[in-house]
Amino acid sequence: EAQVTQNPRYLITVTGKKLTVTCSQNMNHEYMSWYRQDPGLGLRQIYYSMNVEVTDKGDVPEGYKVSRKEKRNFPLILESPSPNQTSLYFCASSNQGAYYGYTFGSGTRLTVV
Amino acid sequence: SQQGEEDPQALSIQEGENATMNCSYKTSINNLQWYRQNSGRGLVHLILIRSNEREKHSGRLRVTLDTSKKSSSLLITASRAADTASYFCATVLNSGYALNFGKGTSLLVTP
Repeated sequence: EAQVTQNPRYLITVTGKKLTVTCSQNMNHEYMSWYRQDPGLGLRQIYYSMNVEVTDKGDVPEGYKVSRKEKRNFPLILESPSPNQTSLYFCASSNQGAYYGYTFGSGTRLTVV
Repeated sequence: SQQGEEDPQALSIQEGENATMNCSYKTSINNLQWYRQNSGRGLVHLILIRSNEREKHSGRLRVTLDTSKKSSSLLITASRAADTASYFCATVLNSGYALNFGKGTSLLVTP
């Protein structure tokens, strides 16, 4: 089944403790992206990657890092999480950027206390 | 970044009725996409309409695009309780790679 898999689905952590949210797709998509969703603010792009070793900032990149060493994986790294990073995170992938529909993962609900 | 804005914010209808949601945006786009999100779950791509298209159909969905008014509408015909979800429009600029989402319309379909 074609899908984007995120792990974990739920995570509660403490301020300052480094964490990684994994994202993997099995559709050979070049383009991958991370979004966060917050009440009243909608979905905002954090980072995106157009291919292996090619990443760029989205609208809200502060406090996040990404890497794209393999085509299928695009992990989101929070080096020192803070409470304002409490959010629902989505990974998405697509062929040829946003010129076709995206496939989204099921989401990771992160709480930073 | 530029976002679509959906209208209404919330819509409640009965099964069998049609649901219409509107989206307005600010600058020229390459395409506009509609997504559905069930509560707390991932977004599901419904339909994409390109800037040179005016109308597209997919099953019970009909999307229109008016680039002169910078607006789009999503029509769901003969709605079902299973259509209850949030619906988002997302625009893609000619120069960009990002989906620029609106804040969504929450649709409730009651039996």
